[in-house]
Amino acid sequence: SAVISQKPSRDICQRGTSLTIQCQVDSQVTMMFWYRQQPGQSLTLIATANQGSEATYESGFVIDKFPISRPNLTFSTLTVSNMSPEDSSIYLCSVATSGAAKNIQYFGAGTRLSVL
Amino acid sequence: TQLLEQSPQFLSIQEGENLTVYCNSSSVFSSLQWYRQEPGEGPVLLVTVVTGGEVKKLKRLTFQFGDARKDSSLHITAAQPGDTGLYLCAAFGGSNYKLTFGKGTLLTVNP
Repeated sequence: SAVISQKPSRDICQRGTSLTIQCQVDSQVTMMFWYRQQPGQSLTLIATANQGSEATYESGFVIDKFPISRPNLTFSTLTVSNMSPEDSSIYLCSVATSGAAKNIQYFGAGTRLSVL
Repeated sequence: TQLLEQSPQFLSIQEGENLTVYCNSSSVFSSLQWYRQEPGEGPVLLVTVVTGGEVKKLKRLTFQFGDARKDSSLHITAAQPGDTGLYLCAAFGGSNYKLTFGKGTLLTVNP
């Protein structure tokens, strides 16, 4: 299994500012992902964070808006840039381990973002 | 793009009742997963079903994978308030272990 710590757990931000969310895993993992979730709704994949290379973004998400870093196999950050109220959401980090458990994803508790 | 349709979207029942949640698609999946997410937490994996027709039980929860591996159901017997949460089905598509999630079923079990 993997234990994931996300920081901050919640934040209230002003329009036009940026927020960086951190994701720390207690073990080295191959795959790290960032999701967005509206309260009470499903998860939408933003991007796959690749260690040592640029993140792979899903349709509708771009690097300028959601820059991602993955400096090593246990840590990643997601920045929500130039925020607007439409960015208010829950942002979740997840990891997939390798080997026999490669099809299991573990999620952090999420970062609840409100943009005023 | 694989699409997972979940129903119902919302469900509010009394403690002790039974319920079934459905997850349907036109695509065939090698496996399908069910997650539960409680308020303020991330989703937690409940089960992975792999074989067509497979039935898995987790205490009062019964998961079934359709024979054609296109659909799945989750049945809860004698629901309890602790079962309250968002139930999500998910499947892997493409490479890099990318999960596609259904829209979820928000279950409320009233005491």
